[in-house]
Amino acid sequence: EIVLMQSPATLSVSPGERATLSCRASQSIDTKLAWYQQRPGQAPSLLIYGASTRSTGVPPRFSGSASGTEFTLTISSLQSEDFAVYYCQQYKNWPQTFGQGTKVEIK
Amino acid sequence: QLQLQESGPGLVKPSETLSLTCVVSGGSIISSSHYWAWVRQPPGKRLEYIGSIFYSGTAYQNPSLKSRITISVDTSKNQFSLRLNSVTAADTAVYYCARQDNTEPYFDNWGQGTRVTVSA
Repeated sequence: EIVLMQSPATLSVSPGERATLSCRASQSIDTKLAWYQQRPGQAPSLLIYGASTRSTGVPPRFSGSASGTEFTLTISSLQSEDFAVYYCQQYKNWPQTFGQGTKVEIK
Repeated sequence: QLQLQESGPGLVKPSETLSLTCVVSGGSIISSSHYWAWVRQPPGKRLEYIGSIFYSGTAYQNPSLKSRITISVDTSKNQFSLRLNSVTAADTAVYYCARQDNTEPYFDNWGQGTRVTVSA
């Protein structure tokens, strides 16, 4: 089973600043990685798939990139609605697995 | 707009069977492009994939749970279901149903989730 490690566990950012979240896979997953946003009390919502493709309706301030087994989600200018928990998910190997999440909080 | 809605008891006794249903609205469950999945999130823990089913009834289960779970589909009611038997406190979680792409199996639509507690 592929293990995904997200860092940091918590990221404190001021509104308008840039946030960079990382997800590292225990083995190669090509670009079979998705990112989800989960606001408090809500279900996860798909942001990015294929490591860098934004889902329908996702603002362009969200971007994803990949380098080997290291994946990055960047939020260019944090808005109030972006303070949430972010999860990565790999779908290269069965079963699909998730990272433990990064909480983005207001600084 | 596609919507998924979970339903089921919020409290289940240890050793009993957890049963949940997900009703799909705003679209048909008969889709060659999608699977229908269950994902859970224990308190304070990461999301865990449980299993998926195709409208034809072909199902896949996470090996860690495979011996205890049954996923079924009822196309006439546009819904699918999860049964998890022999539950313990470790099965306490928020259970989500979701739609999963057939070829690139990320989850592109989610239900709001239902909290299930296993306790006597």
